[in-house]
Amino acid sequence: GQQLNQSPQSMFIQEGEDVSMNCTSSSIFNTWLWYKQEPGEGPVLLIALYKAGELTSNGRLTAQFGITRKDSFLNISASIPSDVGIYFCAGPDSNYQLIWGAGTKLIIKP
Amino acid sequence: DAGITQSPRYKITETGRQVTLMCHQTWSHSYMFWYRQDLGHGLRLIYYSAAADITDKGEVPDGYVVSRSKTENFPLTLESATRSQTSVYFCASSVLGDPVNQPQHFGDGTRLSIL
Repeated sequence: GQQLNQSPQSMFIQEGEDVSMNCTSSSIFNTWLWYKQEPGEGPVLLIALYKAGELTSNGRLTAQFGITRKDSFLNISASIPSDVGIYFCAGPDSNYQLIWGAGTKLIIKP
Repeated sequence: DAGITQSPRYKITETGRQVTLMCHQTWSHSYMFWYRQDLGHGLRLIYYSAAADITDKGEVPDGYVVSRSKTENFPLTLESATRSQTSVYFCASSVLGDPVNQPQHFGDGTRLSIL
């Protein structure tokens, strides 16, 4: 079946650094969704991408829909402590059910 | 605005026992979902429901039973718990079943440990 591979698995960064993570698949997706999960909570939708090449921002977050439709990227600029959490990519399968990546855990060094 | 609530937040039980996880939403959303979250796997869909009395299997339904007699409630039952079902379980709801145009809203999860 379809799978989404996220990298890196985890990131240890200093406050103020920029962050980049990506999500790849062996099959084409028509939509890419990026969610954030904070400790002890459920995932929350951050950004939705609908078209190949699309670049969408939400505050300091910017996500891109890869032109091959097999990948997507999420960047966070000037990270702050509240950015800590797990970032998931997800996309709908042929039955419109979400396929999820395993997540990228973001940890900010004190 | 209570949103979507799951109970209990934490549960420890033994192999072979029956356990039910509760999910309640106050938005009158048509669709409800149950996922499990395990390290290295992200979220995997167990069951979903399009409306009261309509349920369907997801990616990993074996060992689980669901029901939806009322729109606002979607309980998940493990009829005979096994250690492999130790996980964090998330309930979600959405207006439509299309995750592209209608985001899913998640509860805070139930952490289930089976000894």
